[in-house]
Amino acid sequence: DTAVSQTPKYLVTQMGNDKSIKCEQNLGHDTMYWYKQDSKKFLKIMFSYNNKELIINETVPNRFSPKSPDKAHLNLHINSLELGDSAVYFCASSQDPRDSTTNSPLHFGNGTRLTVT
Amino acid sequence: AQTVTQSQPEMSVQEAETVTLSCTYDTSESDYYLFWYKQPPSRQMILVIRQEAYKQQNATENRFSVNFQKAAKSFSLKISDSQLGDAAMYFCAYRSVYTGGFKTIFGAGTRLFVKA
Repeated sequence: DTAVSQTPKYLVTQMGNDKSIKCEQNLGHDTMYWYKQDSKKFLKIMFSYNNKELIINETVPNRFSPKSPDKAHLNLHINSLELGDSAVYFCASSQDPRDSTTNSPLHFGNGTRLTVT
Repeated sequence: AQTVTQSQPEMSVQEAETVTLSCTYDTSESDYYLFWYKQPPSRQMILVIRQEAYKQQNATENRFSVNFQKAAKSFSLKISDSQLGDAAMYFCAYRSVYTGGFKTIFGAGTRLFVKA
């Protein structure tokens, strides 16, 4: 059973288009995240959600809109795609990091490679 | 703001040998968590090992162990008996416990090559 699954694995699209990436976790975690990995492999957080509530928005352009219909799902919609949006996008989940009984490591999906042409 | 630095962009090790990957971090906090993640060519991010800052004992997971030096803010990863499957990018990561811990900060990564 896949713990964190995101679709699609690959996404090729043209500038100006709108696209979505879906993410689901079956670990029973309260917290979900989106991370962006650029061409130099640098990983940077974009958003954190806890129980469907936005906790962190790390100065991401408002063309990026996350949506969490329930705590097991966190989707990412991107409007007006730009060349600079090309990257690998990782969804992740964890137990509530405020829970002091656990050190809450991130569990990652396999990533979505987005290519904007 | 916390930062994580991995000063070795690439490392190379002979199969069956031992290699150490370096990581330093900057924080004013006294309690936090540290992690090493592995990213093989398959792109998947895999947790290798974790360490709680309040624990003085260094974490170990089979062939993987850490050298945690809290005063020096250093968290190196030692891989013993290296195997071909260990070839990957390795990321050091920091998570605060004070600011809710909703943000894990990653270093730039070290690419490890394993020679047969």
